[in-house]
Amino acid sequence: TQLLEQSPQFLSIQEGENLTVYCNSSSVFSSLQWYRQEPGEGPVLLVTVVTGGEVKKLKRLTFQFGDARKDSSLHITAAQPGDTGLYLCAGAGNAGGTSYGKLTFGQGTILTVHP
Amino acid sequence: DADVTQTPRNRITKTGKRIMLECSQTKGHDRMYWYRQDPGLGLRLIYYSFDVKDINKGEISDGYSVSRQAQAKFSLSLESAIPNQTALYFCATRPTGWNEQFFGPGTRLTVL
Repeated sequence: TQLLEQSPQFLSIQEGENLTVYCNSSSVFSSLQWYRQEPGEGPVLLVTVVTGGEVKKLKRLTFQFGDARKDSSLHITAAQPGDTGLYLCAGAGNAGGTSYGKLTFGQGTILTVHP
Repeated sequence: DADVTQTPRNRITKTGKRIMLECSQTKGHDRMYWYRQDPGLGLRLIYYSFDVKDINKGEISDGYSVSRQAQAKFSLSLESAIPNQTALYFCATRPTGWNEQFFGPGTRLTVL
């Protein structure tokens, strides 16, 4: 069974601060996704990283996939109250493996950005 | 209109009752999934289906069953609900060849 450990579970910061969320596993994933979820809604995809060492930027959000494709991080620069929400990482199983076609989710990080 | 819809959005029931949660999609995706979400546990896979004739158990299928009535419909049943099945339930779809999943708005189920 593939596991993804996400940390921290809770993050409460002031507007303008930077933060990083981590996602770690002992398993290799074919790709890793980051989702954001707001209350009363389902998760919505932010980004998919596929190649080991890949870095993607989405405005103030920077996503990185580890060289060995076992870990990932999400860095937010100058956080704003609108960034508040639940952030989830999810790893996609490799073709031919028992996890193929499925996503393994981390526990989630609840981010609160205070004005 | 929403691409993935779930009904009901909220449900309160009693221990021992049979409950069905329904999911419909207009995205034309073959693959559909049911997850439950509990605080601090992320999303855990209950069942998934790659097409109408292909149903697979996820990591926490005990106490649940599913039915794929058509490509666009995937229902989750709790034959005899128990309190520890109180959770938020999500349906998701995925096109073949892509990893991105598209989630419905969720059903909040409370079992008393």
